[in-house]
Amino acid sequence: SQTIHQWPATLVQPVGSPLSLECTVEGTSNPNLYWYRQAAGRGLQLLFYSVGIGQISSEVPQNLSASRPQDRQFILSSKKLLLSDSGFYLCAWSDRELEAFFGQGTRLTVV
Amino acid sequence: QQQVKQSPQSLIVQKGGISIINCAYENTAFDYFPWYQQFPGKGPALLIAIRPDVSEKKEGRFTISFNKSAKQFSLHIMDSQPGDSATYFCAARNSGYALNFGKGTSLLVTP
Repeated sequence: SQTIHQWPATLVQPVGSPLSLECTVEGTSNPNLYWYRQAAGRGLQLLFYSVGIGQISSEVPQNLSASRPQDRQFILSSKKLLLSDSGFYLCAWSDRELEAFFGQGTRLTVV
Repeated sequence: QQQVKQSPQSLIVQKGGISIINCAYENTAFDYFPWYQQFPGKGPALLIAIRPDVSEKKEGRFTISFNKSAKQFSLHIMDSQPGDSATYFCAARNSGYALNFGKGTSLLVTP
């Protein structure tokens, strides 16, 4: 069966520090991969999605970037965090025709 | 621009009652409509989903009603239980692309 791993679960980082969140999927190949951010009252905002290695689409301009160095690995990064980057970050995967499955999320607090 | 509009933002229902959450969309290219349930601190989990060629889908106490001409769909939770208290998200997807989520409905089922 397919599983998705996302870490860390919580993270407190100072303003201006770098960020790296990692997500890996097991039990499937060539999945679509997604990064979402969830803020209170604003639902789930799509940040990035990838349909293959090295293929990244960005949905909103921001201080973040994403990379997909391997088929089942998706990384969310920032060179310098802003206070506004605080939030709950969710990684998800989907087959071409099926629903998306989410990881357990990372609670990022920028202080 | 919010592609999927969800209401109400919050809902309080007594145990045993019916919880109803509504969503509307504009993009007629959407071909898949899932609902997700999210508990605090966890990632969203797929609850039930429907395709536009079906007007209703039922799984246990959960039913999706779909009105293609009105571009609306809704989630009904029958015999609501305190354990159903969570945030519910509707979503819509254009095949091959990422899910577009509503802003969520916080459901509280009182004993």
